[in-house]
Amino acid sequence: NAGVTQTPKFQVLKTGQSMTLQCAQDMNHEYMSWYRQDPGMGLRLIHYSVGAGITDQGEVPNGYNVSRSTTEDFPLRLLSAAPSQTSVYFCASSYGGGYTFGSGTRLTVV
Amino acid sequence: QQPVQSPQAVILREGEDAVINCSSSKALYSVHWYRQKHGEAPVFLMILLKGGEQKGHEKISASFNEKKQQSSLYLTASQLSYSGTYFCGTEAPNSGYALNFGKGTSLLVTP
Repeated sequence: NAGVTQTPKFQVLKTGQSMTLQCAQDMNHEYMSWYRQDPGMGLRLIHYSVGAGITDQGEVPNGYNVSRSTTEDFPLRLLSAAPSQTSVYFCASSYGGGYTFGSGTRLTVV
Repeated sequence: QQPVQSPQAVILREGEDAVINCSSSKALYSVHWYRQKHGEAPVFLMILLKGGEQKGHEKISASFNEKKQQSSLYLTASQLSYSGTYFCGTEAPNSGYALNFGKGTSLLVTP
């Protein structure tokens, strides 16, 4: 099992560009979440999903969209990148116990 | 709303004990604890469900008082490998199993 796979690992965007951060899990987990991690701020919840076709907003959803068309995939879209979105992004999944995190995507917006 | 963790940072000598606290202003269904090493992803340590149970993982244990909406992580006889940042994640009822994490507690164990 690969667990939770995030791509890309690193990305540099120009202000105003859009992109999709990919997240895939092969554990048949129903629950998936996206977090951003900034120095001194901990992990902040962006969006989450309780199953295919069902998503909801977290604490900091502005500027991000998600969809969950399959159990395995939960992509995060940045609509128009801003420097404030420079961060490390983690995707995580769970069956209802502890969450398994992906290795993260380090995004820099210039 | 993010739960509040204390202390923000702690330095221990190998073999010493530490307690990390997590409190929430909201009613909780469960509390998770994770450890993150520098440059790596958070790793799940344990989950405590509503009911005030205490769980253990090696020499690391935790308690959950749902009436006070508080949890504590106990690290006994600390080892160098315990160094890292510890996060509590709280689950509120009807939250879709999504967790809100605290800002973390940085733990450094020295020889």
